[in-house]
Amino acid sequence: ELKVEQNPLFLSMQEGKNYTIYCNYSTTSDRLYWYRQDPGKSLESLFVLLSNGAVKQEGRLMASLDTKARLSTLHITAAVHDLSATYFCAGRSGSRLTFGEGTQLTVNP
Amino acid sequence: SAVISQKPSRDICQRGTSLTIQCQVDSQVTMMFWYRQQPGQSLTLIATANQGSEATYESGFVIDKFPISRPNLTFSTLTVSNMSPEDSSIYLCSVGVYGSSSYNEQFFGPGTRLTVL
Repeated sequence: ELKVEQNPLFLSMQEGKNYTIYCNYSTTSDRLYWYRQDPGKSLESLFVLLSNGAVKQEGRLMASLDTKARLSTLHITAAVHDLSATYFCAGRSGSRLTFGEGTQLTVNP
Repeated sequence: SAVISQKPSRDICQRGTSLTIQCQVDSQVTMMFWYRQQPGQSLTLIATANQGSEATYESGFVIDKFPISRPNLTFSTLTVSNMSPEDSSIYLCSVGVYGSSSYNEQFFGPGTRLTVL
C-alpha cells in the first residue's frame, strides 16, 4: 500500500527567502503530483513528475523527483505572499492517487 | 485539461437524511473519482466511478453509505446516505486525463462543502 509523507506540515517564511517541501513515499509510484489548495478552494494542479531525475519549474516553484530515494521536493525561490496556500503531493498506484498530509505555507511580508 | 462542475457547491443537511452530489465534465473521460476532505485534513479516495459498471470502493467506504452512479463518460453522482455529523466534509470529484506523452493528469472539481447538523 502506497503511503505518502510530507514535511514540514506547517511552514512560515519571510518574503524573499527560499525553502523546500519534502515528499517521501513508501513504495513504487509511477507518477508524482503536486497540487496547490487555497482556503475554501479546490485543488490546482502544479506539476506531474514522470520519471527519475524529472525537474519542472513554473515561476518561483520547482519540483523534482528522485525515484530511487522515493523522494520529491518542491522548492520555493524568493517567496512572495501570493504563494501562501496548502501544498499537497500525491503518489499514484494504478489509477489511484494517495495524498500526503499537506504543507500549509504562510509567506509573511 | 478538463473543466469540472459540481452541484451543489455547499449544503447544510439534517442528520439521517441523504444528499446527492453531481459532477459534470466538459469532455468524455474514462476515469472519474470521488474524494473526501475532512476539515483541515488531506484528501482520501472514496471510490473510482466506472462507466457501465459498479464503482470500486476503497477500504473503509461502502456502497450502501456512498452509492455512486456513472451513467455516461461526462457525468457521475455521489450520494451520502443516512448522514451523521461525521460526514461533514468537502467532497471532490476528480477526473483523469491523458495528456501528451501518454501520462495521466488528474484534475479536481470545485468541491461540495457538506455540513451535517
